[in-house]
Amino acid sequence: QKEVEQDPGPLSVPEGAIVSLNCTYSNSAFQYFMWYRQYSRKGPELLMYTYSSGNKEDGRFTAQVDKSSKYISLFIRDSQPSDSATYLCAMRTNNAGNMLTFGGGTRLMVKP
Amino acid sequence: DSGVTQTPKHLITATGQRVTLRCSPRSGDLSVYWYQQSLDQGLQFLIQYYNGEERAKGNILERFSAQQFPDLHSELNLSSLELGDSALYFCASSPRRISYEQYFGPGTRLTVT
Repeated sequence: QKEVEQDPGPLSVPEGAIVSLNCTYSNSAFQYFMWYRQYSRKGPELLMYTYSSGNKEDGRFTAQVDKSSKYISLFIRDSQPSDSATYLCAMRTNNAGNMLTFGGGTRLMVKP
Repeated sequence: DSGVTQTPKHLITATGQRVTLRCSPRSGDLSVYWYQQSLDQGLQFLIQYYNGEERAKGNILERFSAQQFPDLHSELNLSSLELGDSALYFCASSPRRISYEQYFGPGTRLTVT
């Protein structure tokens, strides 16, 4: 079993929909949680960063962390065709330096 | 554009060969990371260098090695290549040894035939 699990999708939604992307993890030592977006044939780019539990909002994006359930989410409001990409969750502990553990990614398609 | 450059973009080589992938970090960034992305394993951390010194090691095979030079560019050397080494190899950089932000390059696609 992988340390970080993510439904690979694809997830297909109509433009304007609210999208929910999720990851579960098994290592309770993870303290820092990130969401990266990766367009086809490009490198991942950081979208959101959260430390420990709680919510964080940035424009149309909201990241949630529930450490008690070992579950993190990314919500995208008013989804746009330009949001079509693969979304990767990533996490790290306090003790692993800057080593990130990634989920497998969820492919999102937003249809006009 | 993240400011991280990687060369070459594509590389096709045969089993048993050795290749070198090159990465130039963003201006001013001292940390460089290497990742391997394959369909079955996803994005896997290989190794981190900070200001020329190795700082963290992930699931990097013994056939693979890396270094960071005084001008901060980095090279990933892959030897005795196997079919299973075919993957996208990403380099990322960050300003400090520990930073929540890692800026990824466009990747090098390696195909081993």
